[in-house]
Amino acid sequence: GAGVSQSPSNKVTEKGKDVELRCDPISGHTALYWYRQSLGQGLEFLIYFQGNSAPDKSGLPSDRFSAERTGGSVSTLTIQRTQQEDSAVYLCASSRPGQGVGGYTFGSGTRLTVV
Amino acid sequence: GQNIDQPTEMTATEGAIVQINCTYQTSGFNGLFWYQQHAGEAPTFLSYNVLDGLEEKGRFSSFLSRSKGYSYLLLKELQMKDSASYLCAVKASGNTPLVFGKGTRLSVIA
Repeated sequence: GAGVSQSPSNKVTEKGKDVELRCDPISGHTALYWYRQSLGQGLEFLIYFQGNSAPDKSGLPSDRFSAERTGGSVSTLTIQRTQQEDSAVYLCASSRPGQGVGGYTFGSGTRLTVV
Repeated sequence: GQNIDQPTEMTATEGAIVQINCTYQTSGFNGLFWYQQHAGEAPTFLSYNVLDGLEEKGRFSSFLSRSKGYSYLLLKELQMKDSASYLCAVKASGNTPLVFGKGTRLSVIA
């Protein structure tokens, strides 16, 4: 597609439920990143996929968070047993190899609210 | 560890010039990025510096000093639509994700 697509754009869930957030990167972009942004905070790195390499999971805040990327394209971020502190905007970005000059292209994000 | 600092908020007048500073301490350095983020929208790429000096792109310029761990974003001829958050981000190495500062919220007033 022309841009990075994320769905849903908004999600309200009850505490303790599981949620799945989807990211469809730009075709041909081998790198895919998940970040989250809480109110008044910067972008917090969660996980990074690069081609067929093992993902960099160093930013995942707990074992309730997991992500997968199927076929080198679409990625799903799963949060199990959601907590109120998980409320944030979850942003996905993709980039081409060595895309220094252009940086990342971000999707519009999923605003997650845990009530 | 990684640390990126930038002012939380700034206010400037329409038509004026504003400079947003960013200092960083990272385990390595492979480029510094500036992004613009309007409220409720995705961040969009503004500029990239990997060598010392000034990169100019229209009304926006970005400067880098690697020895000082310092960058600034310069916005000229400010317009109301420039009201947004400006995010400084550093790439520590080729295979690491960008580390972002908390962003500077710029308000442009008449």
